[in-house]
Amino acid sequence: DAGVTQSPTHLIKTRGQQVTLRCSPKSGHDTVSWYQQALGQGPQFIFQYYEEEERQRGNFPDRFSGHQFPNYSSELNVNALLLGDSALYLCASSSSMGYRSETQYFGPGTRLLVL
Amino acid sequence: AQKVTQAQTEISVVEKEDVTLDCVYETRDTTYYLFWYKQPPSGELVFLIRRNSFDEQNEISGRYSWNFQKSTSSFNFTITASQVVDSAVYFCALSEAKGRGSTLGRLYFGRGTQLTVWP
Repeated sequence: DAGVTQSPTHLIKTRGQQVTLRCSPKSGHDTVSWYQQALGQGPQFIFQYYEEEERQRGNFPDRFSGHQFPNYSSELNVNALLLGDSALYLCASSSSMGYRSETQYFGPGTRLLVL
Repeated sequence: AQKVTQAQTEISVVEKEDVTLDCVYETRDTTYYLFWYKQPPSGELVFLIRRNSFDEQNEISGRYSWNFQKSTSSFNFTITASQVVDSAVYFCALSEAKGRGSTLGRLYFGRGTQLTVWP
C-alpha cells in the first residue's frame, strides 16, 4: 500500500521564477491538502482540494495556486517566487469516506530553496 | 479561532528517562479532533494518534501514552523509557470537526517540540 508521494524532493529556484510541486495521495484517498513549513516552525495550511475543487484556503496570496486531477493527484504552483517562499512543502492526503476520513497522512515533502 | 500552543521548544533527556510533551489548545468548537505527529530529520510527518473531543479516555500504545483533559484544554504526550530513536520534532495539531459526508478540514499546528534523547 503506497503512501503519499511527492516530487521533486529538492528544488532550487531564483526570485521571480515559477515552480510546480506534485503530490500523489495514499491509495484510497481522494482529498489532498498542502502545507508550508518554514524552518523551525509548524506547518501552515495553504489549501485543500477535493473533487477537483479548492475547498478551503489558508492565508496565502494568490501567487499560490493548485489543481487536482481526476486520479486525485495534485499540483501546487507558486508564481513570482520570493526569498520567503523557501520552505518545506508538505502534501497530506485523507479520505472523505467513513472512519478513514478523520486523519491526514503526510508525504516526505519537497524542500524549496529560493535564491 | 483555533490555536495550538507547545510551550516547550526543546527538551533533552537521557535514554530510559520518561518525558512529557505539553500541548494546550484553543477552540470555540464543541466537536474537534486532536493529533500528535512526529517529524524525524528526514522531514516526513508521521501520524501517531488522533483523539475526538467527545472521547476523553486516555490511551496507551507501547511506550507512548496520551492524556486528554478538556477541562484544561490539554492533550499531553508521554514517552516512557525514552530511546535515541525517539529523537525528533513532535507536533500537536487541532482540526475542526468535519460536516456530514465531508472530508477532514485543515490542521492547525503548534510550533513543535524538539526532543533529543542522549545515549
